[in-house]
Amino acid sequence: GAGVSQSPRYKVAKRGQDVALRCDPISGHVSLFWYQQALGQGPEFLTYFQNEAQLDKSGLPSDRFFAERPEGSVSTLKIQRTQQEDSAVYLCASARDSNQPQHFGDGTRLSIL
Amino acid sequence: GQQLNQSPQSMFIQEGEDVSMNCTSSSIFNTWLWYKQDPGEGPVLLIALYKAGELTSNGRLTAQFGITRKDSFLNISASIPSDVGIYFCAGRGSARQLTFGSGTQLTVLP
Repeated sequence: GAGVSQSPRYKVAKRGQDVALRCDPISGHVSLFWYQQALGQGPEFLTYFQNEAQLDKSGLPSDRFFAERPEGSVSTLKIQRTQQEDSAVYLCASARDSNQPQHFGDGTRLSIL
Repeated sequence: GQQLNQSPQSMFIQEGEDVSMNCTSSSIFNTWLWYKQDPGEGPVLLIALYKAGELTSNGRLTAQFGITRKDSFLNISASIPSDVGIYFCAGRGSARQLTFGSGTQLTVLP
């Protein structure tokens, strides 16, 4: 597609439920990043893929967070046993390669009740 | 996590005025980028800077990569209503991820 596509746009879940957030990067972009954006703050890095390889997951806040990109295209961010502090906007960005500018999707707004 | 020091936090200006905002870091960056984010949308890239001292323009926007590689500024000339939004600076060092500022909320008054 023309831009980075994320789904769902909004997700409401009860505390303790598992959620899965999807990212479709720009076609041909080998680098893919996930960021978490709290209200009133700038995005914060979660994890980075180069093709299907997860090269950096240092930003994942706990082992409840897991990301994959099995075929080097679509990526899924999964959060297990959600907590209220997981409520945020989750942004996906892709780039032609890791040195090129990152282009962002519109994010998934996750609310944990 | 680490965020860059971005100022001002918010600005209220009259339409037609020029605007300046800046970002500083305690770390050296190899790339500086400026993004604009509208409510409910993702950040949109405005300008990318790759070399210390570089001055780059994009229409009414001008940005500079500081000589020390620890700062950058963004100027908007002759502001218009559609300039309203949140502006973020972002730096990239040896790691591939971006470190963002906390944003400047710009309001343009008619």
